[in-house]
Amino acid sequence: GENVEQHPSTLSVQEGDSAVIKCTYSDSASNYFPWYKQELGKGPQLIIDIRSNVGEKKDQRIAVTLNKTAKHFSLHITETQPEDSAVYFCAASSMEYGNKLVFGAGTILRVKS
Amino acid sequence: DGGITQSPKYLFRKEGQNVTLSCEQNLNHDAMYWYRQDPGQGLRLIYYSQIVNDFQKGDIAEGYSVSREKKESFPLTVTSAQKNPTAFYLCASSISVGTGELFFGEGSRLTVL
Repeated sequence: GENVEQHPSTLSVQEGDSAVIKCTYSDSASNYFPWYKQELGKGPQLIIDIRSNVGEKKDQRIAVTLNKTAKHFSLHITETQPEDSAVYFCAASSMEYGNKLVFGAGTILRVKS
Repeated sequence: DGGITQSPKYLFRKEGQNVTLSCEQNLNHDAMYWYRQDPGQGLRLIYYSQIVNDFQKGDIAEGYSVSREKKESFPLTVTSAQKNPTAFYLCASSISVGTGELFFGEGSRLTVL
């Protein structure tokens, strides 16, 4: 089955710097890669996603890149702000797993002001 | 407002007792899910349902049970057979299994005393 590994587990950056979180997946048939943000005491919320036919997607200060050959994808946050502090989860889904999402272990991002 | 409502937010249980967590959605979604969140382990799928009166085991179904008698409702029972029930439980829904965004509730934290 699919396995998703996420690094780093914690990340501290200074306000205004960039943050990068990386995930690798095992199933080459995976075709959908979302990123979720979870604020303290709340449920995760989708912030950006990418499908396997696209290499990069941007939405204002966040971007996701996908390298299908290497089976890894990354979340990039530029000009970080204190409100970006949260737990971020990557996920992958494949038809072989019934299109259900398999989540990474999460990254705690702290933006210091 | 449309969304997912979970209750209770906090729950304490004595060992040997069953407890039921409520999940209601008004998004008219066919698919609903229960995830368990433990520190450093991401989100693990307990059960999911693609349609009313149907549900499937996820990766960690042992010690849990669900029902899907109405489209809007997907309650989770944590039984006394669950060896380590203390965790944060998240309910989610999507238009159907494998189609894009999951919408999460705010979670229920269960503590076994």
